[in-house]
Amino acid sequence: DTAVSQTPKYLVTQMGNDKSIKCEQNLGHDTMYWYKQDSKKFLKIMFSYNNKELIINETVPNRFSPKSPDKAHLNLHINSLELGDSAVYFCASSPGQGYADSPLHFGNGTRLTVT
Amino acid sequence: KQEVTQIPAALSVPEGENLVLNCSFTDSAIYNLQWFRQDPGKGLTSLLLIQSSQREQTSGRLNASLDKSSGRSTLYIAASQPGDSATYLCAVNTEKLVFGKGTKLTVNP
Repeated sequence: DTAVSQTPKYLVTQMGNDKSIKCEQNLGHDTMYWYKQDSKKFLKIMFSYNNKELIINETVPNRFSPKSPDKAHLNLHINSLELGDSAVYFCASSPGQGYADSPLHFGNGTRLTVT
Repeated sequence: KQEVTQIPAALSVPEGENLVLNCSFTDSAIYNLQWFRQDPGKGLTSLLLIQSSQREQTSGRLNASLDKSSGRSTLYIAASQPGDSATYLCAVNTEKLVFGKGTKLTVNP
């Protein structure tokens, strides 16, 4: 009955590889987000989707490509991984229009380590 | 550019103490302010959301206030318990959430 679930929980990979992180929410929310928490615990938004449409796209390298097949899923694909991509990636959802006008529900995060 | 600062970065208190966590932001043009709790290895849990037109919100032992004109919010925790130990994050909404770095709270039995 997990509300926002992410897989995998841990991901260890080498530089240059391509990897994906999956996220699903069963809350019926219209908006989903990807956040990155770096080694200094600083949490920053990467993307926001409302009903499968991209509405927020921060200054993120083109190697990061979100995909939303339906409003319950928002996956994150990362090409040509770099050491600096190591972080914890959080998926979140909210019932609002996509501008954080209602409380966000977070997944437990995916810890990505690039070696 | 909106910047959010949380003071102190860490706080250790004995059980039963009342405490205040502080959050300040540089741009007062916000839609709302949210307080979250983060436990180690876990995601964030939303605690309170204060709309820009509101002055405070309460949930159980938690009370959050907002002074938009001065760019400040406080989270008051009454009668702290060891289970309150976590990192508390403040986030202001300017069409997207901008987070502070959090205050790591330890409540000692």
